[in-house]
Amino acid sequence: DGGITQSPKYLFRKEGQNVTLSCEQNLNHDAMYWYRQDPGQGLRLIYYSQIVNDFQKGDIAEGYSVSREKKESFPLTVTSAQKNPTAFYLCASSIDLRLRDTQYFGPGTRLTVL
Amino acid sequence: RKEVEQDPGPFNVPEGATVAFNCTYSNSASQSFFWYRQDCRKEPKLLMSVYSSGNEDGRFTAQLNRASQYISLLIRDSKLSDSATYLCVVIPQGAQKLVFGQGTRLTINP
Repeated sequence: DGGITQSPKYLFRKEGQNVTLSCEQNLNHDAMYWYRQDPGQGLRLIYYSQIVNDFQKGDIAEGYSVSREKKESFPLTVTSAQKNPTAFYLCASSIDLRLRDTQYFGPGTRLTVL
Repeated sequence: RKEVEQDPGPFNVPEGATVAFNCTYSNSASQSFFWYRQDCRKEPKLLMSVYSSGNEDGRFTAQLNRASQYISLLIRDSKLSDSATYLCVVIPQGAQKLVFGQGTRLTINP
């Protein structure tokens, strides 16, 4: 089955720790994205990548980092510099946003800082 | 003004009713528009694209009004399973990212 997988589904972190969220896709999509969603709010873009070894900051990149070493994988690291990291994190992919293609989402990771 | 604005609701309607909600966007040069559906604690899923000529998919109809810069979603003969949050999504011209509205929460009551 083609799709996007995210792991883990739930993640608990102590304050001051970095944590990495996994996102893998086997759809052969070029573009991948990371969003954050807080309760009762829409999705806010953290980082996106159009091709391997290239990525751009979204609207709320501070305190986050990413890498895109493989087309299939786009891991997100939530660093200790992120002041309020508790949220629902969603990864998405699309063929090519410039072609106005839609995005498809993974099931998300719920991060809670203790 | 937000790039994409939706009435957050909640909209509570009885089963079988027709319900409609709008979404306004600020960038007049926006090119692409979508409606996504998000169930509680789940990921958003594409419901339908919105074309200039409007489009219909079963009980769902989406319309685009470029002059007034809004898109709409109409749900006819609503089902209990239609209860969800509906997200309006816009791709501004030249942008390489989607812009999401905050979502409209809909509850269909038996």
